[in-house]
Amino acid sequence: QVPLVQSGAEVKKPGASVKVSCRLSGYTLTELSMHWVRQAPGEGPEWMGGFDPEDGETIYAQKFQGRVTMTEDTSTNTAYMELSSLRSEDTAVYYCATDSSGFWRGYFDYWGQGTLVTVSS
Amino acid sequence: DIQMTQSPSSLSASVGDRVTITCRASQSLSGYLNWYQHKPGEAPKLLIYAASTLQGGVPSRFSGSGSGTDFTLTISSLQREDFATYYCQQSYSTPRTFGQGTKVEIK
Repeated sequence: QVPLVQSGAEVKKPGASVKVSCRLSGYTLTELSMHWVRQAPGEGPEWMGGFDPEDGETIYAQKFQGRVTMTEDTSTNTAYMELSSLRSEDTAVYYCATDSSGFWRGYFDYWGQGTLVTVSS
Repeated sequence: DIQMTQSPSSLSASVGDRVTITCRASQSLSGYLNWYQHKPGEAPKLLIYAASTLQGGVPSRFSGSGSGTDFTLTISSLQREDFATYYCQQSYSTPRTFGQGTKVEIK
C-alpha cells in the first residue's frame, strides 16, 4: 500500500485561495507521479493536473491554468495543490492520486482520502 | 476533450448477479482506459487499467474488456462489498477525463 494522507477540510470565501497537502508514506515522491482530481457534489471526478514523468514537467488541465499550482516538498515527502480565486463552483472534494506506471498515459493506483473544500460567503 | 459516457447511470442487482457496465469514449482510446470503484467516505480504488489488466489485489470476479471507443467492466458474481459507484477514465489524451459513474445498488 502507498498511504496518502491529506489535510483537513477547509471553508473559504469567494476570491480566496486554498492549499491542500498530501503526505506520502511507503514511497518517495521521486518514485511516483502525483496528480490531483476533484469531485463536485453530484458530478463525476475531474482531473486538475499532474506530473509527467516522461517530460519532467507538471501539466495542468487548461480549465485550471493560471489558477492552480502543484508543488512538492521532497524533504517531507508532501505534495501540495493550491487553487486561487475561489468561486462557489470550486466547492468539491479534492483528491491526490499517484501514478506509479512511469508513463504519462498511466493510471491512478493510489488515492488520498479526500479533502472537502467549501467556498461560501 | 474526450467525452466519456457510462451506462447505465445506476442499477439494482442482487448478490451473485453478473453485472456489466459500459463506457463509451467520443474518440478512440487505443486501450488507455481505466476503471475505479468508489465507496462513500473512502478513497477511490483502481480496479482495471489498460482496459483489461487487473490491478494487484483486486478479486478475479472483476474483469475489463473492449477497444477503440467501447469498453466494459464486468463483475461475474456480485458480492456485498461490491456495492459502490464505478467510474471509467481515459488516459489517452490530456485532459484525462472520467465518466459520470454507475452506482450499483442492492436490489
